[in-house]
This record gives sequence, structure tokens and C-alpha cells, in this order.
Amino acid sequence: AIRITQSPSSLSASTGDRVTITCRASQDVSSYFAWYQQKPGKAPNLLIYATSSLQSGVPSRFSGSGSGTNFTLTISCLQSDDFATYYCQQYYYYPRTFGQGTEVEVK
Amino acid sequence: EVQLVESGGGVVQPGGSLRLSCAASGFTFSSYSMNWVRQAPGKGLEWVSYINYSGHTTYYADSVKGRFTISRDNAENLLYLQMDSLRDEDTAVYHCARDLSGYSYSSLGYWGQGALVTVSS
Repeated sequence: AIRITQSPSSLSASTGDRVTITCRASQDVSSYFAWYQQKPGKAPNLLIYATSSLQSGVPSRFSGSGSGTNFTLTISCLQSDDFATYYCQQYYYYPRTFGQGTEVEVK
Repeated sequence: EVQLVESGGGVVQPGGSLRLSCAASGFTFSSYSMNWVRQAPGKGLEWVSYINYSGHTTYYADSVKGRFTISRDNAENLLYLQMDSLRDEDTAVYHCARDLSGYSYSSLGYWGQGALVTVSS
């Protein structure tokens, strides 16, 4: 199975900060990479698909980049609604593996 | 509006069985592949299983292969997960999730709120 290494596991930030989360896949997954946001007690919500495509309704402060094995989620200007846990996922191979998650906390 | 509503969760003893259902609405169910994803208490997301739009192709995580069976009823807009030989480590919230697109490679665009399965003696 493809292993996804996500970092950091947690970070502390303030509103207005620029936040970057990275994921590394153990094999080339082309551009078939997604990012999800999850808040406590809620289902995950798709933010980014195909590495850099913004899901409908997602604010433009979220962006994704990368290719092959290295991928990045950037939040350009952190808002109060963005404090949550973020997961990356590859969907090129089965099983469709997730990263371990990054909790974005209030500094 | 796409809606996915899971049911069938509960408490079951180790070695027991349970069947989860996911009722879909707001889209043409027979046109989209579906998935189950689980989350153990305080842990991250784990993809469990996939079934294509017709039901003819399925995939499973190694952790559940041979114990869980995914299926669907396109006439009734229902997705199922039959879980047998349950273990303590299967305790989790189980979400059904729809592929975002109808293409072979797709992220998970829509999720249900989940059903809690607790395996305990």
C-alpha cells in the first residue's frame, strides 16, 4: 500500500497567518491527490482535488500544489473557521490511503 | 442536494456481525462509485472499501479483506457494508462517501455523518 507521510502532526497559528501542510507519498501518485478538512464530531469536507483544483464553495485562501510524491496545502490567510484537522489522500492506487492528519490549533 | 445517511451501527461482541446501510438521495445513485471510510475514536481517517457504480468492482483495505463485504442496491439507492468476524480494532465511526466524479480516479466529494460501531464484550 502507498504510505502517506503528513507533516506536521499539529501546528499552532494565529488568524491572518499563512499555513503550509505537506504530504509525501511513498510512490508516484501522479496528480491524484486530495485534501480534506474535518471539525470535531463532523464528517470530513473536501477542499482540494486533483492536487490543485478547488472544490465548489471552498474559499480561495485554500490552495494545493505538487506532483508525483510531494504535495502541499496552503492556507494564505488563516481565518477563525479554519481551526480544524486536515487530511491528505492519494486516490491513484487502492487502498486509497490517507495521511495521519494535521491539527491546526489556536496559538 | 446530495445526502448520505448511514444506519445500522451499534454495540456488538467480538466475533459478531453487523450490517451498515447508507441511504443516498439528491443524485443519480447508479452513476457514482461509493466508499466506506472509518475513524477510530481519537484517530485519523482509514479508507475501508470501494464499489463501482454497477457493483461489479470492489476493493478493500487489507485490514478488513475477507471479513467485510461492500454491496449496493441501485434500485433502492442503498449502499451496504456487511461486517463479519468483528474485532476490537474495528470500533469506529463508519462514513459512507460518494466519489466526486464518475471517472475512474476520484476524490471523495460527499460524506455522510457516520454510524458508530462499537465492538466490545
